[in-house]
Amino acid sequence: EDKVVQSPLSLVVHEGDTVTLNCSYEVTNFRSLLWYKQEKKAPTFLFMLTSSGIEKKSGRLSSILDKKELSSILNITATQTGDSAIYLCAVEALNYGGSQGNLIFGKGTKLSVKP
Amino acid sequence: GAVVSQHPSRVICKSGTSVKIECRSLDFQATTMFWYRQFPKQSLMLMATSNEGSKATYEQGVEKDKFLINHASLTLSTLTVTSAHPEDSSFYICSARDVGPPEKLFFGSGTQLSVL
Repeated sequence: EDKVVQSPLSLVVHEGDTVTLNCSYEVTNFRSLLWYKQEKKAPTFLFMLTSSGIEKKSGRLSSILDKKELSSILNITATQTGDSAIYLCAVEALNYGGSQGNLIFGKGTKLSVKP
Repeated sequence: GAVVSQHPSRVICKSGTSVKIECRSLDFQATTMFWYRQFPKQSLMLMATSNEGSKATYEQGVEKDKFLINHASLTLSTLTVTSAHPEDSSFYICSARDVGPPEKLFFGSGTQLSVL
């Protein structure tokens, strides 16, 4: 059964801290791994990773995929209170015979950044 | 950027009634739309995938007769929760994408369904 596991499930830090969120997966026909940030209601896209070892960066956020270890990390440096959210990891796996993939979501990591 | 509109944002209904939730892509044609369910403090769970002009594909354990999905046009998909019961109370989110990679996946703002 395909699955995506995130750790930790929750994390409380203080502003300025650096955090690392983990995502591991077991899927057949892996296509890509995605990170989303969910604040109020709808998730917003952060990164899509398809190749191992290539870091994607956006401001204080960065992410990298390790296809050998079947995992990815999301780093946030110099955290701010506005980073408080649930961070979701999702893996796209190809359907049998199909070109469109389903997204399998992990349970998410709830990050709370205290002032 | 692309926008997906979902409404209503909140609905409270009596047990036994049916509720329709709409998901519209506002500035692109969505050949595929996805419906998710999210319980408090839990992640998004894919319920079904709907493709324009064809029957939806439901995930294992999701009752297709209870959660009716219609993707009648390239910009609109609807989810109807039939004969809703309190255990159907949940947060429902849709997402839509055009042909292309999954970063072009856009989420609606969600619908909080409360069944009394």
